[in-house]
Amino acid sequence: DIVMTQSPLSLPVTPGEPASISCRSSQTLLHSNGYNYLDWYLQKPGQSPQLLIFLGSSRASGVPDRFIGAGSGTAFTLNISRVEAEDVGVYYCMQALQSPRAFGPGTKVDFK
Amino acid sequence: VQLAESGGGLVKPGGSLRLTCVASGLTFSDFYMSWIRQAPGKGLEWVSYISTSGDSTQYADSVKGRFTISRDNAQNSLYLQMNSLEAEDTAIYFCARDRRPKAYLGMGVWGRGTSVTVSS
Repeated sequence: DIVMTQSPLSLPVTPGEPASISCRSSQTLLHSNGYNYLDWYLQKPGQSPQLLIFLGSSRASGVPDRFIGAGSGTAFTLNISRVEAEDVGVYYCMQALQSPRAFGPGTKVDFK
Repeated sequence: VQLAESGGGLVKPGGSLRLTCVASGLTFSDFYMSWIRQAPGKGLEWVSYISTSGDSTQYADSVKGRFTISRDNAQNSLYLQMNSLEAEDTAIYFCARDRRPKAYLGMGVWGRGTSVTVSS
């Protein structure tokens, strides 16, 4: 089974500043079709998770362009160009290449 | 587009429960569907998914042999039959709209979840 790790697990941020979260998988998530089967989800306090990024770097509908997914193979990054107040919550990466799917442990983002 | 889960509650260890997820505002039969759970204060755990026709299913090791996912496309409904429940199954259970058969677009729609508590 593929194991996902994230760092850091806690990320204090300053509004207006950039932020970055790392996600690594125990096996490559690169499919033969050229896509990386890696998603990013955000769970805001008291809410259900919401999709931010799919296939490594594709932004979901309605997601602001300050969210940028990058990486390939086993190493991925979610970058937020300028953190806004509404971005606080727990960010999860998830591999969708093979079953069983697996989430990372989550990175809690809040303000300093 | 909306997903609404129901069927959660308090059940004794070893008991059973059937969760339901009703979809509206989307062509339900066009999408795989998934169940994901979140234990109190913990992270997300993928549980199961089912293909558009229901002929293909996958499960997490932690629930394999105890949980069964199914769907009724005529009723726009997704189900999770949970048997032999254990305390470790206590969680909020979310349903989510998953991939199309020929395109992966992430789990783009989630319900609000239904709470399952396994305790004597």
